[in-house]
Amino acid sequence: LAKTTQPISMDSYEGQEVNITCSHNNIATNDYITWYQQFPSQGPRFIIQGYKTKVTNEVASLFIPADRKSSTLSLPRVSLSDTAVYYCLVGPTGTASKLTFGTGTRLQVTL
Amino acid sequence: SAVISQKPSRDICQRGTSLTIQCQVDSQVTMMFWYRQQPGQSLTLIATANQGSEATYESGFVIDKFPISRPNLTFSTLTVSNMSPEDSSIYLCSVERTPQSGYTFGSGTRLTVV
Repeated sequence: LAKTTQPISMDSYEGQEVNITCSHNNIATNDYITWYQQFPSQGPRFIIQGYKTKVTNEVASLFIPADRKSSTLSLPRVSLSDTAVYYCLVGPTGTASKLTFGTGTRLQVTL
Repeated sequence: SAVISQKPSRDICQRGTSLTIQCQVDSQVTMMFWYRQQPGQSLTLIATANQGSEATYESGFVIDKFPISRPNLTFSTLTVSNMSPEDSSIYLCSVERTPQSGYTFGSGTRLTVV
């Protein structure tokens, strides 16, 4: 599975837009990019998944440039409850392949 | 996405004993995955459990220490054997329900070994 690199931590104020970038230089042709959110004492939760260009759902947007070597998770107008660790994962889907988690980005939102 | 029930949610165990963690999924799945998350760390895959065959273990994890059962397509157990304080972690199970919805994780079992 392609290795990913993301910032260890980020800070934001409530109401701001937060962009977390993930680098995945060795992404393969059949790999998708998936982001998970993990709150303390809970398992990771699927946020969004994409292959190229832009994907948007009710929670976030995912921007993927043409070369797919990086991706950016965008959280609009964060609130205190968005304080969590965010993981970027790269790999094929539909194959029940094992996930390889990187270090994740610890987002701290304050007033 | 799939609903996973994992139990116990937490336990405090004496060193040298064993604990079995159960994971129940609300639908049939081919593979179930067991992860460990040490305090303040990311998740590490322990093994992949297939129904009807031996589990596949990742480097650094062995069957004698972490025996896994997978009796049917909705249930699996992970046993942490002969525990030591270094085994204190959160243990999570996971399944892929559909390619579009990613993987679903149980809420985890917080294990403390004293």
